[in-house]
Amino acid sequence: KNEVEQSPQNLTAQEGEFITINCSYSVGISALHWLQQHPGGGIVSLFMLSSGKKKHGRLIATINIQEKHSSLHITASHPRDSAVYICAAPYNTDKLIFGTGTRLQVFP
Amino acid sequence: NAGVTQTPKFRVLKTGQSMTLLCAQDMNHEYMYWYRQDPGMGLRLIHYSVGEGTTAKGEVPDGYNVSRLKKQNFLLGLESAAPSQTSVYFCASSILRGSEGQPQHFGDGTRLSIL
Repeated sequence: KNEVEQSPQNLTAQEGEFITINCSYSVGISALHWLQQHPGGGIVSLFMLSSGKKKHGRLIATINIQEKHSSLHITASHPRDSAVYICAAPYNTDKLIFGTGTRLQVFP
Repeated sequence: NAGVTQTPKFRVLKTGQSMTLLCAQDMNHEYMYWYRQDPGMGLRLIHYSVGEGTTAKGEVPDGYNVSRLKKQNFLLGLESAAPSQTSVYFCASSILRGSEGQPQHFGDGTRLSIL
C-alpha cells in the first residue's frame, strides 16, 4: 500500500488550459513536497507547504491537513510545463516517501 | 554553482561486476540520500546519511553499500551487480531532515544497465 497516492497518473492538455494534479497521503506530515521531473530526467523541488496555499508564477499548491490532501494547479498551461510532477511526504523524521508521479503533456 | 553532481551519468555493467557511483554536493548539506527510480514506481530510498561518517538503510538497501567519509561526498557501491539493479539512480542532499520541510536538491541521475 503506497502511503502517497497521486491522480491522475497521466494528463494531457491543450496550451492555455487550467491543470490540477492531486495528492493524497496517509502518513502524518509536517510539510508536503511537490517536485518536477523534466523530460531529460532532472528533478527540482517546486514547493514545500504545511498549510494553506503557495504560489510561484503560474504554479499554485494547496494543502488541507485535515483531509490529508494537496493539489498542484497550473494556470495558463504551456508546452514547457510538460513534465512528471511528484508529491512527497516526510516520514520517520529523516526521510521522504514519494508518489509515483503524474505525467503531464501540454500540446500547442 | 554546481549543487549536486553525480558521476557517471551512464554505465553498462555485466552481471557480477562491481562499481561505485559518486555524489558530490557543494552546499554544505548535512543530509544526503541515494534513491532508485524504476518505471511505474516512486523514488525509493536505498541508503541515506545524516552527517559525515554516518549511514543508514532506507527502503531497498540490499545489494548496495554506501560511505560518507567526507561531508560533501556520498558514495554508492554495487559489489556484485545484478540485472534487478538496472535503474536510474538519484542522489539528493538537504540542509535539514525531511520532516522539517526543507527541500531536497537532486543530482541529474545515473542511468545504470546491468546485462
